[in-house]
Amino acid sequence: DVVVTQSPVSLPVSLGQPASISCRSSQSLVHSDGNTYLSWFQQRPGQSPRRLIYKISNRDSGVPDRFSGSGSGTDFTLKISRVEAEDVGVYYCMQGAHWPLTFGGGTKVEIK
Amino acid sequence: EVQLVESGGGLVQPGGSLRLSCAASGFTFSSSWMHWVRQVPGKGLVWVSVINTDGSKTNYADSVKGRFTISRDNAKNTLYLQMNSLRGEDAAVYYCASGGPGSGPGSWGQGTLVTVSS
Repeated sequence: DVVVTQSPVSLPVSLGQPASISCRSSQSLVHSDGNTYLSWFQQRPGQSPRRLIYKISNRDSGVPDRFSGSGSGTDFTLKISRVEAEDVGVYYCMQGAHWPLTFGGGTKVEIK
Repeated sequence: EVQLVESGGGLVQPGGSLRLSCAASGFTFSSSWMHWVRQVPGKGLVWVSVINTDGSKTNYADSVKGRFTISRDNAKNTLYLQMNSLRGEDAAVYYCASGGPGSGPGSWGQGTLVTVSS
């Protein structure tokens, strides 16, 4: 199985400051169809997960533009340009290029 | 608005069976791949299974292969997960979600809790 590793595990951030989460996979996430299947999810406390970004950098409907994704191959990043209080929660990356789909272990974002 | 409502969770003894259901509305269910994802409270997300639009293709995590079966009824807009030979490590909140095979779960339900204990 493809191992997906996120860092850091915990990320204290001041309001209005940027945040960055890293996601690395044990294999390239470039699919035979040419797409790179790396998605990002947010799970606020007490809520179901919500997908923020798919195929590296495509924001889902309703996702604020302060969230952005980048990367290629095996190395990816989620950036929050200016952290707001509602961004508190756990963020997961997920690879969809190989079966079984696998999630990273999560990064907890909290306000400093 | 996409709505996914899971049901069927509860307490079951080790070795027992349970069938989860997920009622879908607000989108074209028959055109959507569907997933099950589970999460032990306080822990991370674990993908469990996926089914394609007409039910002809399925895939499973190794940890549930041979014990769990995903299926769907497009006439009833409902997704199922039949869970047999349940183990303690299967205890979790089970989420159903819609989304393509590569981009993964785009819309999620609220989850249903499965407890495995004697």
